[in-house]
Parts: sequence; structure tokens; C-alpha cells
Amino acid sequence: AAGVIQSPRHLIKEKRETATLKCYPIPRHDTVYWYQQGPGQDPQFLISFYEKMQSDKGSIPDRFSAQQFSDYHSELNMSSLELGDSALYFCASSSPARTFEETQYFGPGTRLLVL
Amino acid sequence: GENVEQHPSTLSVQEGDSAVIKCTYSDSASNYFPWYKQELGKRPQLIIDIRSNVGEKKDQRIAVTLNKTAKHFSLHITETQPEDSAVYFCAASQYSTLTFGKGTMLLVSP
Repeated sequence: AAGVIQSPRHLIKEKRETATLKCYPIPRHDTVYWYQQGPGQDPQFLISFYEKMQSDKGSIPDRFSAQQFSDYHSELNMSSLELGDSALYFCASSSPARTFEETQYFGPGTRLLVL
Repeated sequence: GENVEQHPSTLSVQEGDSAVIKCTYSDSASNYFPWYKQELGKRPQLIIDIRSNVGEKKDQRIAVTLNKTAKHFSLHITETQPEDSAVYFCAASQYSTLTFGKGTMLLVSP
């Protein structure tokens, strides 16, 4: 079965640079979530989208923005990168409205290293 | 907002023993409680979940119990195997955003 796809899988950036992470949800899933996971920590919710509209907002810094496109894929844009932004970034998708299933399926993650 | 506490932070057992991980949540409106297993550097993978209208759910060696009154839920793994070694996260949700516990590192020794 198709899973959540994330690209790139690894990314190295310098401080103050920008980065764009992409997420392609499971087909027919209309809700996308972004999480940030630091070393040894639990995933922290950043932001979510349902039907291309922001549905919930967590601890996303003002330097970050995200959107969901008409094909339901989502992009997380990160600007003025800081050393502390180094982490695993996961995208998850679900389709509670269509399937009445709340299960979130996680992508493989993007490992971001800021030098 | 929701707050999820998870205990213990580390758990070492011998192969074949049982393992129990406990979580409490703060928001009585939460109605969905998944458990994820995460191996080092990999994605969290759902292993079992329970909804608030059910008190217990079992899937082979894994079971989850929920006490809505006390706002706590637990993961039970029986007949543990070395491949069960990983970090386990509980989470709580009210039909949307997941709030995770801090995780339990389970080590199963042969």
C-alpha cells in the first residue's frame, strides 16, 4: 500500500539559510500534519491542514510557514534557520472526515542538520 | 491544552517477560489514544489504538486498556522478544492533533 512520502530525506543547511520540506500524503488522505522531533524527544506538533486550509497550529516558529496544495501535498518552509532547528521532521496524514478513522500515518521523515 | 505523562522512561525486561507502560492525560475531551513504536532514526509506527467508547483492546501479544474516569491508559506487551526493543510513545487526541508522551525506551534482553 502507498505510504506517506517525504522529500528530501536528508538536508544540510547553514545558519540563516532557508529550507523547504515536502510531504505527499497517502492517496485519498485530506489531512496533513507536521511534527518536529529533536534527539531523544517526543514528536512536537507544528501545524496541520485539512482540505488546503490550516486546521490547527502548534509550536511552529514564526520563521516557519506551511501550506497544502490542491493535490493535497504539503510544504513546510523554514527561513532564517538556527542551530536548534536541527531535528527530524515528520509529516503524517489521515482522513478522518472521509473514513472516520483518525489514525495518523507517518512518513519516513526529513533529517535536517543546520551547521 | 492536552498534557500526556508517560512512565517509565526506560524499561528493561528479559525475553519472555511482560512489559507495561502507563500514560495519563489531562483533557477529558480526548477520545482517541494511539500507541506508536519508534526505532532509532525511523518513523513512529502505530501498533495499537483505542477509542474512548472501549475499555480494552487486544492484538496478539499487545493490549491496551483505558480508564476514562481516571484518565489513564496502559500498553501491555506479553512474551516480549528482542525485536520489541524500541521507544514507545503514547498519545492522546480529540479527533485531530496528537499530543505525545515523552516516550519509554524498552530494552528486551535475550
